[in-house]
Amino acid sequence: AQSVTQLGSHVSVSEGALVLLRCNYSSSVPPYLFWYVQYPNQGLQLLLKYTTGATLVKGINGFEAEFKKSETSFHLTKPSAHMSDAAEYFCAVRGNQAGTALIFGKGTTLSVSS
Amino acid sequence: GAGVSQSPSNKVTEKGKDVELRCDPISGHTALYWYRQSLGQGLEFLIYFQGNSAPDKSGLPSDRFSAERTGGSVSTLTIQRTQQEDSAVYLCASSFLTGELFFGEGSRLTVL
Repeated sequence: AQSVTQLGSHVSVSEGALVLLRCNYSSSVPPYLFWYVQYPNQGLQLLLKYTTGATLVKGINGFEAEFKKSETSFHLTKPSAHMSDAAEYFCAVRGNQAGTALIFGKGTTLSVSS
Repeated sequence: GAGVSQSPSNKVTEKGKDVELRCDPISGHTALYWYRQSLGQGLEFLIYFQGNSAPDKSGLPSDRFSAERTGGSVSTLTIQRTQQEDSAVYLCASSFLTGELFFGEGSRLTVL
């Protein structure tokens, strides 16, 4: 079974500051890991994903995440926050076989102040 | 259509009534998911269909909830005897095998 814990339901940063959104997962099989973003009044869209290979993955809008198996983490970072990054961010995990569901965390709301 | 289509976009019902929510996935997508999104609860997994395999129903919160997927395409989520705590946005998503999920705009259910 898979599960995801997102640490911090709300994160506030200043424009230009580092963004760090934390995600820890639990999986009985090698995981596939995802970050999705939901902008206000919009649907969810994929930000980035890790399946196999390089553990540092780059996504859209300057975001990246690193898969750390030893820490069972997949934290999302961005070096410099922009006002347009304000949104809700969801971490998700699934097993690496067909037939396993994608399980989401409860989400982290990112606020960016000027 | 080009994307995942859900209907109705908004549904207001009275406690105790049954409701049906419909999802048209992207053509050719083999996997279909239903999630429930409510404030502070994130995306709660409900049910997952993958091809002709038996669906993963492990997320359905009670036996009042059921879902079908006909012909490997359209899916209907049915909630019987609705309760106020069922009020939420119900999201459908589809993917090809284990690929990226594409989400619909959701059906907002309000139970009075």
